[in-house]
Amino acid sequence: DADVTQTPRNRITKTGKRIMLECSQTKGHDRMYWYRQDPGLGLRLIYYSFDVKDINKGEISDGYSVSRQAQAKFSLSLESAIPNQTALYFCATSSWAGEGTGELFFGEGSRLTVL
Amino acid sequence: AQSVTQLGSHVSVSEGALVLLRCNYSSSVPPYLFWYVQYPNQGLQLLLKYTSAATLVKGINGFEAEFKKSETSFHLTKPSAHMSDAAEYFCAVSEGNNAGNMLTFGGGTRLMVKP
Repeated sequence: DADVTQTPRNRITKTGKRIMLECSQTKGHDRMYWYRQDPGLGLRLIYYSFDVKDINKGEISDGYSVSRQAQAKFSLSLESAIPNQTALYFCATSSWAGEGTGELFFGEGSRLTVL
Repeated sequence: AQSVTQLGSHVSVSEGALVLLRCNYSSSVPPYLFWYVQYPNQGLQLLLKYTSAATLVKGINGFEAEFKKSETSFHLTKPSAHMSDAAEYFCAVSEGNNAGNMLTFGGGTRLMVKP
């Protein structure tokens, strides 16, 4: 089984619908992240959480919200989806301990299409 | 502030030819540097990382990268391209504890390998 699991892997929805993307990890890491990938734009950070009680906005948080339900679970919500939120979304984790390099471990992605 | 520039959003090489993917970074402190690879329909996986030990870093699948402080570069190379190397490659930088161990990604380079 993957260390970082995202569900659903693919989702097609309509404008205005509420969508939740879920992420769970078995790596025991404190830190979790949500990124968005668009062609030519690389990876952009939406939200991140350094522990259960810590939530921080990234560079493109507008239109998104998150919930850190437990150390191992971090979900991303789109309250009212719009077509320009069509993208590939990645969850990632990292550990503060060890080398402290910030190395990220990624899930396999959730492809969201908003019609 | 840290930043990454990847020169060339698309690179095409022939099978057996040298692969060179360029990455330049900006950092106010000695950086940690990463190359991630994303194969089609998959998440990102770590190819290699520089953590202030040897400046020439060897990674998986025959890739290597050299940290050149004077040039603020961390270019990725492979002597002989294989069809299976076709993927998108991301360079990333972290300033370690100086910036909360957060990674900043470049825009990505899509490598195409021609038979």
